[in-house]
Amino acid sequence: KQEVTQIPAALSVPEGENLVLNCSFTDSAIYNLQWFRQDPGKGLTSLLLIQSSQREQTSGRLNASLDKSSGRSTLYIAASQPGDSATYLCAVEKGNNRKLIWGLGTSLAVNP
Amino acid sequence: EADIYQTPRYLVIGTGKKITLECSQTMGHDKMYWYQQDPGMELHLIHYSYGVNSTEKGDLSSESTVSRIRTEHFPLTLESARPSHTSQYLCASFADRGNFYGYTFGSGTRLTVV
Repeated sequence: KQEVTQIPAALSVPEGENLVLNCSFTDSAIYNLQWFRQDPGKGLTSLLLIQSSQREQTSGRLNASLDKSSGRSTLYIAASQPGDSATYLCAVEKGNNRKLIWGLGTSLAVNP
Repeated sequence: EADIYQTPRYLVIGTGKKITLECSQTMGHDKMYWYQQDPGMELHLIHYSYGVNSTEKGDLSSESTVSRIRTEHFPLTLESARPSHTSQYLCASFADRGNFYGYTFGSGTRLTVV
């Protein structure tokens, strides 16, 4: 059974720091891995999607890497800002029905 | 601005009431999903649809039902609400066409059953 683990569960950093969020998954037979952002009481915003054949994706200050063989992905946030404060969720898509398997998320607080 | 809309955003109702959570998308996506999320817990898929007249149960057992009569509309219904149904319900659609591949989520409905 596919499991997705995110470390750390919570992170508090001062503004301006570069930081790394980690995601690991137990079954490497995935179609893709996605990173989402969730603000309190709101839905999810898709940040980056890495296809299984890709190694990384970048969008602005965000960079996500994928090492499928080791079952790991990292989300790198450069020069963090208070507006980055949110919960970051990692999900892998797998199976014939292409379902998403979710981690519990990392709750990030960037302090001004 | 979101292209997938969920109403209501918040709902407090009494036990035993019938409720319908609305989800609509304007993007013409065939695939739509309902997730349930409790505080501090992962999202659980409760229903999905791959097109009109297609509905399937997800991984988490749910007493809710869904329908897909029109592409843009995917409502979720609880015939008799109970306190155990208190949760956040998130609707999403998926597209794989042209330059867009991925999921779009609504803002969610936070349901409280008292």
